[in-house]
Amino acid sequence: DAKTTQPPSMDCAEGRAANLPCNHSTISGNEYVYWYRQIHSQGPQYIIHGLKNNETNEMASLIITEDRKSSTLILPHATLRDTAVYYCIGSGSARQLTFGSGTQLTVLP
Amino acid sequence: EPEVTQTPSHQVTQMGQEVILRCVPISNHLYFYWYRQILGQKVEFLVSFYNNEISEKSEIFDDQFSVERPDGSNFTLKIRSTKLEDSAMYFCASTGQGMDQPQHFGDGTRLSIL
Repeated sequence: DAKTTQPPSMDCAEGRAANLPCNHSTISGNEYVYWYRQIHSQGPQYIIHGLKNNETNEMASLIITEDRKSSTLILPHATLRDTAVYYCIGSGSARQLTFGSGTQLTVLP
Repeated sequence: EPEVTQTPSHQVTQMGQEVILRCVPISNHLYFYWYRQILGQKVEFLVSFYNNEISEKSEIFDDQFSVERPDGSNFTLKIRSTKLEDSAMYFCASTGQGMDQPQHFGDGTRLSIL
């Protein structure tokens, strides 16, 4: 799996967009970028994933740079319930996920 | 929306006892996983299971651990002789066919070894 680097923590004002960066400069051509989040001690929750193209779903958007060395997860209108640890994972398949320390996102009222 | 369910939510066991953690994966999923998270630490992969056999396992998954799919719906993790350091959250996950299909996780079982 590709090594990923994320800032340890970020704050975001409620109602604003939260932009969470991830560096994955060693990612290989067949490795996807997956984003999960973990609210308190609950199970990791799948958010979105992508290979090359930008992706959007009902939860978030994923912007992947053209060289695929970094990506940004965008939560368009952050709410207090989006406070969580966000994990960016590079993986050749979803068969085994290697979780790092992630980014603690705190949404402030 | 279908979800992975795990029971019990909290299990307290004496050291040396056997424990079985249970999971009901999403019904049409074919790949099943166990992870654990020691308090304050990262989520760690334990084992993956497909077609009634282990596909991959980490070095954490030693001889005291075993997994089983005893029927068409349940997926279990057994720890034979529990140790204090087995205290952790244990998460089950499942995924469908397709190499990029995401894993969906249950809310975990908190295992406390006394």
